[in-house]
Amino acid sequence: NAGVMQNPRHLVRRRGQEARLRCSPMKGHSHVYWYRQLPEEGLKFMVYLQKENIIDESGMPKERFSAEFPKEGPSILRIQQVVRGDSAAYFCASSHGTRGVEQYFGPGTRLTVT
Amino acid sequence: KQEVTQIPAALSVPEGENLVLNCSFTDSAIYNLQWFRQDPGKGLTSLLLIQSSQREQTSGRLNASLDKSSGRSTLYIAASQPGDSATYLCAEETSGSRLTFGEGTQLTVNP
Repeated sequence: NAGVMQNPRHLVRRRGQEARLRCSPMKGHSHVYWYRQLPEEGLKFMVYLQKENIIDESGMPKERFSAEFPKEGPSILRIQQVVRGDSAAYFCASSHGTRGVEQYFGPGTRLTVT
Repeated sequence: KQEVTQIPAALSVPEGENLVLNCSFTDSAIYNLQWFRQDPGKGLTSLLLIQSSQREQTSGRLNASLDKSSGRSTLYIAASQPGDSATYLCAEETSGSRLTFGEGTQLTVNP
């Protein structure tokens, strides 16, 4: 049973470009979470999705950031018009349910904006 | 506002020593508390999960406790080894299924 998969592992974008980060949850998991770890800071919740639904996006920046988890395929975190402050490690986690179940994390995507 | 605090921020110990990492949280309406390990430049590895109805969990040389009334959790590592060197993170799950993380304790075990 493969773990949570994220790709790419490293992504370099110039300011103003778009970044697309992908996350495939563990088999059988339908709940996906995105977290961001800024340099020298802790992990912060961004968004919680189930298949085709955004459940909680209270941690997402108001502009330029969006997330989806389609019926088929991986979850996508999209950052439009990236700025240097978006440079961070973005982690995806998945679980088989809500409230009280373990979240399993992927290896992360390290985004560098030049 | 939910807050999770970890003390100390960094810890250096000689190999073989038993040690305790501390985690404090402000929201008593907790579903569970998870301890993770993060190696430099890597992802998070789940170590232990304690449900709100439990008081402790054990896995090998690791033991985690949970005291909801005082808002504290501890991670006890027995007979530490150089391979235990990493950053240890605690995270609480309250409403909404999101995890709120502490800043972490950076542990160095010296041979």
